[in-house]
Amino acid sequence: GEDVEQSLFLSVREGDSSVINCTYTDSSSTYLYWYKQEPGAGLQLLTYIFSNMDMKQDQRLTVLLNKKDKHLSLRIADTQTGDSAIYFCAENSGGYNKLIFGAGTRLAVHP
Amino acid sequence: DTGVSQDPRHKITKRGQNVTFRCDPISEHNRLYWYRQTLGQGPEFLTYFQNEAQLEKSRLLSDRFSAERPKGSFSTLEIQRTEQGDSAMYLCASSYLAGGTGELFFGEGSRLTVL
Repeated sequence: GEDVEQSLFLSVREGDSSVINCTYTDSSSTYLYWYKQEPGAGLQLLTYIFSNMDMKQDQRLTVLLNKKDKHLSLRIADTQTGDSAIYFCAENSGGYNKLIFGAGTRLAVHP
Repeated sequence: DTGVSQDPRHKITKRGQNVTFRCDPISEHNRLYWYRQTLGQGPEFLTYFQNEAQLEKSRLLSDRFSAERPKGSFSTLEIQRTEQGDSAMYLCASSYLAGGTGELFFGEGSRLTVL
């Protein structure tokens, strides 16, 4: 079935790296996504990775994909207070880009 | 601003009343999605349209829920005889069919509170 799981909470010190983990179930997903949701705001795409890639780097963001274990991670380098938000992992399910989301990981950045 | 817009942003209603939400997608997007998000949860898929055709409905979408996209542009989501369990944020998203990364562009949501 379709299921995406994430840890619910992560607390880091400003300047440290954050690593948010996710497991998914649909091995046919062609893309996997990380969305960010700030308080009172909608979801914004942060980054994505194509399923035939192992890694993608985009400035402070690094996405790692382990297809064998169906494990996805998002690393944020030099985490800032502005990175405090909820981060959602999502897989696209089936052929119609229906995204299935995890419950979200709340990232808290403290001084 | 040419993003996805939703209206109203907030709706408070009494149990048993009907409510309707509207979504205007990004103009060139032919796919439109409705999701529901409750506190502490991720968005849950409700239904989606390709142009005016409603192609899939989730089991979450009971008979009290109906969605339309009559001309393949804006969409409405109606909830009849609202229940307290319907209280949630209703999110609309759109995407473009051909190629691309399948990214969904989300609106800011319509928050429903049923008293």
